[in-house]
Amino acid sequence: GENVEQHPSTLSVQEGDSAVIKCTYSDSASNYFPWYKQELGKGPQLIIDIRSNVGEKKDQRIAVTLNKTAKHFSLHITETQPEDSAVYFCAASIASSGSARQLTFGSGTQLTVLP
Amino acid sequence: DGGITQSPKYLFRKEGQNVTLSCEQNLNHDAMYWYRQDPGQGLRLIYYSQIVNDFQKGDIAEGYSVSREKKESFPLTVTSAQKNPTAFYLCASSIGRDRSYGYTFGSGTRLTVV
Repeated sequence: GENVEQHPSTLSVQEGDSAVIKCTYSDSASNYFPWYKQELGKGPQLIIDIRSNVGEKKDQRIAVTLNKTAKHFSLHITETQPEDSAVYFCAASIASSGSARQLTFGSGTQLTVLP
Repeated sequence: DGGITQSPKYLFRKEGQNVTLSCEQNLNHDAMYWYRQDPGQGLRLIYYSQIVNDFQKGDIAEGYSVSREKKESFPLTVTSAQKNPTAFYLCASSIGRDRSYGYTFGSGTRLTVV
């Protein structure tokens, strides 16, 4: 099955700096890559996603890049703010015909933005 | 507002007891999922259901059971066979099939064995 590795496990940045979280996946058939943000004691929330027919997607301060050849994708947060502090999860999935997507998650990155 | 409701938020289980975690969604989503979250291990899939009266085992189904009698509801029972049930449990739903718009998660249930 699919295996997703995520690095780093913890990341501290100064407010205003950029943060980058990287994930690799094992199954070349994966074609959907979402990122989730989880605040303490809450469920994860989808913040951005990318499909395999796109190399980059941006939404304000958040961007995701995908390199299908190398089988890795990254989350980029620019101009970080204290409210960006949370655990971030990457995920990958394969959509087979007629079946629901099943996401395989990375192990998470605890991002701390220092004031 | 549409969303997923998990209850209770905190649950305590004695040794040998079965407990049931509730998950209800009003998003009209076809697919529902249960994940277990342990520190440093990400989210691991317990069970999922694509349609009413059908469900499939995930990666760590042993010691758990589910039912899907209604589209809106997907309760998870943690049985006494689950030897290490202390964890944070997350329910999610999605439109399902090939039309994926990501998962919507509930706020979780924290289960503790006492």
